[in-house]
Amino acid sequence: QQPVQSPQAVILREGEDAVINCSSSKALYSVHWYRQKHGEAPVFLMILLKGGEQKGHEKISASFNEKKQQSSLYLTASQLSYSGTYFCGTELNAGGTSYGKLTFGQGTILTVHP
Amino acid sequence: SAVISQKPSRDICQRGTSLTIQCQVDSQVTMMFWYRQQPGQSLTLIATANQGSEATYESGFVIDKFPISRPNLTFSTLTVSNMSPEDSSIYLCSLAGHTFGSGTRLTVV
Repeated sequence: QQPVQSPQAVILREGEDAVINCSSSKALYSVHWYRQKHGEAPVFLMILLKGGEQKGHEKISASFNEKKQQSSLYLTASQLSYSGTYFCGTELNAGGTSYGKLTFGQGTILTVHP
Repeated sequence: SAVISQKPSRDICQRGTSLTIQCQVDSQVTMMFWYRQQPGQSLTLIATANQGSEATYESGFVIDKFPISRPNLTFSTLTVSNMSPEDSSIYLCSLAGHTFGSGTRLTVV
């Protein structure tokens, strides 16, 4: 029941855009996105709770398609600081109640070059 | 949002010994989660720790190997017992929601 992330790796030039996808075979209550830099703990980016919901944080936004159980993370006009490994964490739909228990995808390595 | 203080940040341990990792939260929380991140891998949930009850372990993790304590609503410990080199990982505590501790990088030699 681990969500599947794609692509596994992305290489960008500064200013380019990227999309990272996260798919689940189970009905989801929420999707969380994190960025982890080497040697550091994951840093929370955003959480999506409802079907079709889209959130944004500066030039990073995400959507959640409840029908497809799929979430996408959009990084626009990438910066060097965006480099790292991106993880989605999914919480299964347990009757509409959140327990905070996450299952993480395998990660997407994003590298931004000058 | 709540802040977690996790320690130690890193340790190098001899095989066969045990290490206890502590997480202190600056507010009361019902659930705490413990994750393991093996080198180059994703995060895997070890167990869920509720105050006042035994921890709930995920498949592949057992209490004898990873005993957890949760004495109150702001504190939890994870012990990695009888360590082997395969236990070398980053261990993280987390709160329901999205807050992680800074992690403990464990190397077993």
